[in-house]
Amino acid sequence: GAVVSQHPSRVICKSGTSVKIECRSLDFQATTMFWYRQFPKQSLMLMATSNEGSKATYEQGVEKDKFLINHASLTLSTLTVTSAHPEDSSFYICSAPRRDSYEQYFGPGTRLTVT
Amino acid sequence: AQSVTQLDSHVSVSEGTPVLLRCNYSSSYSPSLFWYVQHPNKGLQLLLKYTSAATLVKGINGFEAEFKKSETSFHLTKPSAHMSDAAEYFCVVSATNDMRFGAGTRLTVKP
Repeated sequence: GAVVSQHPSRVICKSGTSVKIECRSLDFQATTMFWYRQFPKQSLMLMATSNEGSKATYEQGVEKDKFLINHASLTLSTLTVTSAHPEDSSFYICSAPRRDSYEQYFGPGTRLTVT
Repeated sequence: AQSVTQLDSHVSVSEGTPVLLRCNYSSSYSPSLFWYVQHPNKGLQLLLKYTSAATLVKGINGFEAEFKKSETSFHLTKPSAHMSDAAEYFCVVSATNDMRFGAGTRLTVKP
């Protein structure tokens, strides 16, 4: 099956610094990728839709200046958490749909801890 | 617009007994429906999906779900629970690349 990877799997950073998370589709091209965050014992919440070659679309309540998304190629989307604060600590998950499938393929997630 | 309601936040069963995780959906389109499982500190794994073919869908690990349009439901079942089934389960509705997750149901399996 299709594979989506995320890097890093875990990251700890200090408050005020920025962190970049990568999402790659390894064996298919994805013009669209999705970014979710998941708080402990809660469901996934869609943050934004990443569009290759154009601006990302953010869900209501998500600060686009804080969560910068770049979809530079058909296999890579990045999420940068800028000026991170402890409340940004969460599990961030990306997904990508194949063009010929209804199915989304999820990355394994990145656990961000801001100290 | 679309949404998903998982009717139980927590379900507890004994090993070897049936499992029922309930899901109702709302969609303005003809949606695709999915069940995903998430084990602690793990990524999401697709259990099964409905995409307008057969209404009874069989998935991995003995799970199945039935799409009932008249009831707007997509309940997940398994005849006999195993200890390894203990996890968080998410019902998901998707249409036009807009994917919405339910709040999740935590399944506990007692020995």
